[in-house]
Amino acid sequence: KAGVTQTPRYLIKTRGQQVTLSCSPISGHRSVSWYQQTPGQGLQFLFEYFSETQRNKGNFPGRFSGRQFSNSRSEMNVSTLELGDSALYLCASSSPGQGSTGELFFGEGSRLTVL
Amino acid sequence: QKEVEQDPGPLSVPEGAIVSLNCTYSNSAFQYFMWYRQYSRKGPELLMYTYSSGNKEDGRFTAQVDKSSKYISLFIRDSQPSDSATYLCAPGPHNFNKFYFGSGTKLNVKP
Repeated sequence: KAGVTQTPRYLIKTRGQQVTLSCSPISGHRSVSWYQQTPGQGLQFLFEYFSETQRNKGNFPGRFSGRQFSNSRSEMNVSTLELGDSALYLCASSSPGQGSTGELFFGEGSRLTVL
Repeated sequence: QKEVEQDPGPLSVPEGAIVSLNCTYSNSAFQYFMWYRQYSRKGPELLMYTYSSGNKEDGRFTAQVDKSSKYISLFIRDSQPSDSATYLCAPGPHNFNKFYFGSGTKLNVKP
């Protein structure tokens, strides 16, 4: 079974630009979560989508947005990039439901550098 | 107050040592207590989890939860260089499938 796939793996942008990151979950997983990982703040929750609906949102500004498609693939977008947005963005899929632990299966991340 | 606080490390130990990694959490509603391991340049992977209070053992790894004190621990016996990684605690879930992660403890096991 293929794992979670994130693209692109690495990207460099300049301040003010916008970026779109993509995530393909494990086949059959309908929940997709996004996390931002930085050395100072650790893993911070961005949002979670389930069946194309955002169920949870973290404490990030409106510049951070996401969506999920009918095939469960997800994208997140960051507009008007700031230096502080430089981070590893991790996508995780899961198959929540009765009896599920909610285990998250992570991709390898998209490393964004903002210059 | 943060939902999860984790001893930041880094932690450097000789091979064969017993390692103790710890977290505290604030939400008494959390029922699952996960430990993820993250190798350099990789995404986190679930190492083990406990449900509610108590201990769970898996080989050289033991996870402990004390819900009365909201304290989570992971013990590694006979640590190996291959255990060198960042360990993240993650209690939850909150609101469907949201987990809070500790900031991670970077462990280095020296041969």
